Amino acid sequence: AQSVTQLDSQVPVFEEAPVELRCNYSSSVSVYLFWYVQYPNQGLQLLLKYLSGSTPVESINGFEAEFNKSQTSFHLRKPSVHISDTAEYFCAVTRTGANNLFFGTGTRLTVIP
Amino acid sequence: DTEVTQTPKHLVMGMTNKKSLKCEQHMGHRAMYWYKQKAKKPPELMFVYSYEKLSINESVPSRFSPECPNSSLLNLHLHALQPEDSALYLCASSQGWLAGYNEQFFGPGTRLTVL
Repeated sequence: AQSVTQLDSQVPVFEEAPVELRCNYSSSVSVYLFWYVQYPNQGLQLLLKYLSGSTPVESINGFEAEFNKSQTSFHLRKPSVHISDTAEYFCAVTRTGANNLFFGTGTRLTVIP
Repeated sequence: DTEVTQTPKHLVMGMTNKKSLKCEQHMGHRAMYWYKQKAKKPPELMFVYSYEKLSINESVPSRFSPECPNSSLLNLHLHALQPEDSALYLCASSQGWLAGYNEQFFGPGTRLTVL
């Protein structure tokens, strides 16, 4: 079985400061890892995805995620946040051949002016 | 058109009512999903349709009845709901049914309140 843990339920950060949202996963097989963002009163949007063993892809919003196999982590980072980045961020995992996503509990990022 | 639309945006219903949620996509996607999201919780998968056939039912109570009339439409029929069923119901679609290869596009959701 696979699962993800998001260690921080809320992360406040000042505008233009860097941010890291943490995600740890557990799985005994190769997995796909995802970060989704949910703005208030909206559905989820894919930020980026990663298949363990390949090169991470930088999202169009300037976020990037670092996969660390030894620590089974997939933390999301952005060097300088904007007010518009205020949202809920979900880490998710699926395994090869599966068609369902397992979401973490989410991290609420609040960017302070 | 890369949009998944859901109607209505908000729905308030009593426990004896029958109502339906509607989801539509025109991206030619062949997999469609219903998720339930409680406040401050992650989305939880309810149903998956692949090529208009139900492929996954995550042990959802029978008071929720999904229907896929064609490849563009997905309905969720609601009957005799309980107050604890109040949540945001999200629809999603993807080109194929393998989650790793196929990005899921989400609609904005229907906010359901059961009185």
